[in-house]
Amino acid sequence: DQQVKQNSPSLSVQEGRISILNCDYTNSMFDYFLWYKKYPAEGPTFLISISSIKDKNEDGRFTVFLNKSAKHLSLHIVPSQPGDSAVYFCAARPPAGGSNYKLTFGKGTLLTVNP
Amino acid sequence: KAGVTQTPRYLIKTRGQQVTLSCSPISGHRSVSWYQQTPGQGLQFLFEYFSETQRNKGNFPGRFSGRQFSNSRSEMNVSTLELGDSALYLCASSLTSGRALDTQYFGPGTRLTVL
Repeated sequence: DQQVKQNSPSLSVQEGRISILNCDYTNSMFDYFLWYKKYPAEGPTFLISISSIKDKNEDGRFTVFLNKSAKHLSLHIVPSQPGDSAVYFCAARPPAGGSNYKLTFGKGTLLTVNP
Repeated sequence: KAGVTQTPRYLIKTRGQQVTLSCSPISGHRSVSWYQQTPGQGLQFLFEYFSETQRNKGNFPGRFSGRQFSNSRSEMNVSTLELGDSALYLCASSLTSGRALDTQYFGPGTRLTVL
């Protein structure tokens, strides 16, 4: 059972426009969410995160929105740049201290930003 | 500070063989997690080691095992390889376990191909 779902395997946008990557989760115990970016031949790198007590977190061109009632989060990149072309993974975890404290990842979305 | 290193970077094995992958965490990091990345399943958690003890385990068969040494270096072993074990195996380190997993640093991975 896929607890974290990224239903779009790929997304293509024009340079300068907004990129919106979506992620849905099914486990209501998740209370912390992260986005990772992965270039080919490299490991994933942490991008931005959000706690379930917030509905928005912003870091430069990157903003993550969380809709707890819909169990949905999205990553907005504005403006998109060709260097943003990578695979983006959504991840989630339950509260700290539990026995199942681990990150659960989605399958990833390949973002291509065209010049 | 050097990043997470994984050796070897590429490996080709045949069905039925066994393989050992190595991970050296960032200096001072005591937690090491292993993930399997495949195109169809994304990143799947294998296990986490902290202070030479397995802290958490994903849903993989017993053919997948690991260990951690006193210097925090970790090895992962897969016995009786199957074609479906072909994947990118990623190692990630963090300072400690628990909430510190939120800031894991990934290595570049070992690409395993099983023929």
